[in-house]
Amino acid sequence: EDQVTQSPEALRLQEGESSSLNCSYTVSGLRGLFWYRQDPGKGPEFLFTLYSAGEEKEKERLKATLTKKESFLHITAPKPEDSATYLCAVHRMNYGGSQGNLIFGKGTKLSVKP
Amino acid sequence: DTGVSQDPRHKITKRGQNVTFRCDPISEHNRLYWYRQTLGQGPEFLTYFQNEAQLEKSRLLSDRFSAERPKGSFSTLEIQRTEQGDSAMYLCASSFSRDAGYNEQFFGPGTRLTVL
Repeated sequence: EDQVTQSPEALRLQEGESSSLNCSYTVSGLRGLFWYRQDPGKGPEFLFTLYSAGEEKEKERLKATLTKKESFLHITAPKPEDSATYLCAVHRMNYGGSQGNLIFGKGTKLSVKP
Repeated sequence: DTGVSQDPRHKITKRGQNVTFRCDPISEHNRLYWYRQTLGQGPEFLTYFQNEAQLEKSRLLSDRFSAERPKGSFSTLEIQRTEQGDSAMYLCASSFSRDAGYNEQFFGPGTRLTVL
């Protein structure tokens, strides 16, 4: 069964304290792995897409990497405004007619204290 | 604002009533998706459309749920005979996909449904 597991569930950091969030996946043929940021009461905001092992993408203080079994979201010198829930999702190969849906993890709730 | 929009943003209803939500995707996007999200969980896929065709429905989409995208533009999601377990955030997303491999989905702000 396709599965996406994110860890830790919650992470508290001091401003400037770098860390990493983990997304491990078990999926029948990965088409793409996506990272989203979600603020309370709002829809997910797209951050990155990764398509193949070894790929890396960066945006401001965030850097996403991908291996064959997991992805990491590295946060360098975080600021309080980085506080949010970070969601990981996978898009799998088109078996049995499924073409479109993303399979999401439960997310990591990040809190950055000043 | 050229992003995905949803209406209403909040809906409170009594058990047994019918509700309808609307989603307007990004204008050039051909795919539209509906997800449901409960507290502490990631979004769960409900259904998706390519243009006006509904191509996939999740097992979560019971007979009380129906979705349409009549002209390949906006979409509606209707829940009949609402139950308290239907209380959730209903999210709409859209993407432009040339093939099954490109699937960068952009989400709307969601509709928060509370069933009393």
